[in-house]
Amino acid sequence: GENVEQHPSTLSVQEGDSAVIKCTYSDSASNYFPWYKQELGKRPQLIIDIRSNVGEKKDQRIAVTLNKTAKHFSLHITETQPEDSAVYFCAALRANTGRRALTFGSGTRLQVQP
Amino acid sequence: DSGVTQTPKHLITATGQRVTLRCSPRSGDLSVYWYQQSLDQGLQFLIQYYNGEERAKGNILERFSAQQFPDLHSELNLSSLELGDSALYFCASSGEGQGKRGYGYTFGSGTRLTVV
Repeated sequence: GENVEQHPSTLSVQEGDSAVIKCTYSDSASNYFPWYKQELGKRPQLIIDIRSNVGEKKDQRIAVTLNKTAKHFSLHITETQPEDSAVYFCAALRANTGRRALTFGSGTRLQVQP
Repeated sequence: DSGVTQTPKHLITATGQRVTLRCSPRSGDLSVYWYQQSLDQGLQFLIQYYNGEERAKGNILERFSAQQFPDLHSELNLSSLELGDSALYFCASSGEGQGKRGYGYTFGSGTRLTVV
């Protein structure tokens, strides 16, 4: 099955700095890579996703890059704000099969210092 | 409101007991997924249902079972509960890429289970 590794486990940055979280996956057939943000005690929420036919996707201050050859993808947050503080999870899926579930990384706790 | 409804929000029960968690998926989504999240841990996949049929199994214990009903709501049954079963249990639904729904999961607010 799929295995997703996520680094770092914790990340502390100053407000206004950039944050980068990296993930690697094992199943070369995985083709859908979402990122979720989970605030303390709340549900995970989808913040951005990318399909394997795209190398990069941006949405305002967040961007995701994908390197299929190396089987890794990254989340980039620019101009971080205190409200970006949360746990971020990457995930991978072989979509279109209907018989798989998202495999999540272990999470990165991001702390943005004011 | 994500559109995925989970009840109850909190549950406290004793070891050895049995509980049922309920989930109603987002309107139009046929797939329901159950995940377990222990304290400060990641999201562990338990089981998936699609339109009433079991589709995939993850690390689900034999003491746990689930089903999806004709109206697409799903129930997760946890029996012979142990202290280690204390966790947040999330349900998520997906449009499985149909139409404009994409493959992303929409999570419910979770049920916090405490076994004492």
